[in-house]
Amino acid sequence: EDQVTQSPEALRLQEGESSSLNCSYTVSGLRGLFWYRQDPGKGPEFLFTLYSAGEEKEKERLKATLTKKESFLHITAPKPEDSATYLCAATSGAGSYQLTFGKGTKLSVIP
Amino acid sequence: EAQVTQNPRYLITVTGKKLTVTCSQNMNHEYMSWYRQDPGLGLRQIYYSMNVEVTDKGDVPEGYKVSRKEKRNFPLILESPSPNQTSLYFCASSLFPTGSSYEQYFGPGTRLTVT
Repeated sequence: EDQVTQSPEALRLQEGESSSLNCSYTVSGLRGLFWYRQDPGKGPEFLFTLYSAGEEKEKERLKATLTKKESFLHITAPKPEDSATYLCAATSGAGSYQLTFGKGTKLSVIP
Repeated sequence: EAQVTQNPRYLITVTGKKLTVTCSQNMNHEYMSWYRQDPGLGLRQIYYSMNVEVTDKGDVPEGYKVSRKEKRNFPLILESPSPNQTSLYFCASSLFPTGSSYEQYFGPGTRLTVT
């Protein structure tokens, strides 16, 4: 059974204080690892897709990286508007197109 | 504007009264999916569809039905809702998941309460 585990559950940062969110996965034959941002009361918003170990993608203050067992979402010099819940999801290559989500990390950036 | 729409956005109903939540996308996406989101449990996939007339179970399909008669629509049916189906529901769509075309677009959500 595919599993995706995110840590920490919640993270409070001062504005400008860089940090990383972790996503560890147990998936047979990873086909894709996804990061989403979700604001309260809204649907998740796509951020990145990573396909193979060593891959990196960047968008503004966010950078996602992938190893064979985990992915990191690095947040550089965060601003209050980066406050949100960040979700990680994975899909396997086992003949299924099912997507498994982690429970998310709630990020709060304090001015 | 490219979007996924869901209706209704809020629904309060009683146990056993059949209901349908509609989902529609205007991006010609082949893949569509339904999720429920519960505190402490995160997003869990209910059903997904890779194309018209092709549907498959996700992690939590019990108590739900879906159909995909048209490419743009993917309704979620609760034939006999129970209180444990009280949740926030999201519909999502994406191009067929090959290559780099796996970005999923989510709808705004439907908050369902079953009393």
